[in-house]
Amino acid sequence: GAGVSQSPRYKVTKRGQDVALRCDPISGHVSLYWYRQALGQGPEFLTYFNYEAQQDKSGLPNDRFSAERPEGSISTLTIQRTEQRDSAMYRCASSLAEVNTEAFFGQGTRLTVV
Amino acid sequence: GNSVTQMEGPVTLSEEAFLTINCTYTATGYPSLFWYVQYPGEGLQLLLKATKADDKGSNKGFEATYRKETTSFHLEKGSVQVSDSAVYFCALRVNTGFQKLVFGTGTRLLVSP
Repeated sequence: GAGVSQSPRYKVTKRGQDVALRCDPISGHVSLYWYRQALGQGPEFLTYFNYEAQQDKSGLPNDRFSAERPEGSISTLTIQRTEQRDSAMYRCASSLAEVNTEAFFGQGTRLTVV
Repeated sequence: GNSVTQMEGPVTLSEEAFLTINCTYTATGYPSLFWYVQYPGEGLQLLLKATKADDKGSNKGFEATYRKETTSFHLEKGSVQVSDSAVYFCALRVNTGFQKLVFGTGTRLLVSP
């Protein structure tokens, strides 16, 4: 596609439910990143993939959060047993190479846990 | 650790006014510095960047100079337009590998006609 596509754009879920957020990167982009942005804050790094390999997951807040990119293209960020504090904008970005190339961001998924 | 501090907003200006949004950073090593912009309803877009000390990034009339001595990367524009209304994020990337960006909290700019 022309840009990074994220779905859904908006997700409202009840506390305790699992949610899956999808990211479709720009075609041919090797690297994919997930960030989380709380209201009034800047984005914070969650995790990063190079092709299908998860290279760094140091930003994932706890073991309820996981991510995968099984074929090196589309990625899914899964949050299990959601809590209200998980409410945020979840942003995905991709870049052509691992280093020294621009990261392009999607429009984000706004998650609200009620 | 690595961190970015931005001036709090909102910054409210009239059209054609001069804009400065302050950004300072703390980093280990020699980071690259970025300004991203988020227009209403859109994703983050790279506005400009600088990869080493004294570099000046520029785009769409915006400029920022990488000042190592003051650890700053202030964003400036000589004459703002209503269409510049957006949220601006300063960010750094430590040049040790991949694109792990550290963002500031963002500054909202509101430009009135």
